[in-house]
Amino acid sequence: GESVGLHLPTLSVQEGDNSIINCAYSNSASDYFIWYKQESGKGPQFIIDIRSNMDKRQGQRVTVLLNKTVKHLSLQIAATQPGDSAVYFCAENTPNTGNQFYFGTGTSLTVIP
Amino acid sequence: ETGVTQTPRHLVMGMTNKKSLKCEQHLGHNAMYWYKQSAKKPLELMFVYNFKEQTENNSVPSRFSPECPNSSHLFLHLHTLQPEDSALYLCASSYGQGTYEQYFGPGTRLTVT
Repeated sequence: GESVGLHLPTLSVQEGDNSIINCAYSNSASDYFIWYKQESGKGPQFIIDIRSNMDKRQGQRVTVLLNKTVKHLSLQIAATQPGDSAVYFCAENTPNTGNQFYFGTGTSLTVIP
Repeated sequence: ETGVTQTPRHLVMGMTNKKSLKCEQHLGHNAMYWYKQSAKKPLELMFVYNFKEQTENNSVPSRFSPECPNSSHLFLHLHTLQPEDSALYLCASSYGQGTYEQYFGPGTRLTVT
């Protein structure tokens, strides 16, 4: 079956520092990836996506890096703020499995003021 | 707000009750999804509807019955649930099924007693 996992279940960073959240995936056929943020009591919120024909994509204060050689995805958050405290998880889409998304369990990010 | 609303936000029901969860999207999307989110587990896809037609049923027990009367509304009918069905039930929608970002509602926190 599919496997999308995160290296660290929790991450604490100082306000203003950069955060890096990692995700490993197992299916080399996966061609579309999304990072979601989920705050307490809310549904997942789209942050940024990347397709397999790209290695890097930047948004506002966030960057996603894709390394297809080692099947690794990372989310970088610049100048982390208290409002960034949430659970972050990645999702992968694989065309040969009915276009379903498979989600990781999530990394809990805590920003220390 | 993501444009996807869910009601009720919280639900407590006994194992012999019948209840329904409602989801509505105001985004003009064509695909809608039901997910189950349990503590410390990845999001589990339950059902997918594309243009009102069910396209995925991930071996969900028959005590969960989905209904999609139109592209904007999705229901999940519940009956004779088990305590292990207690979880956060999330609805999502996307422009189409496949490599499109999904927008999630806030979820219904279900407790089965």
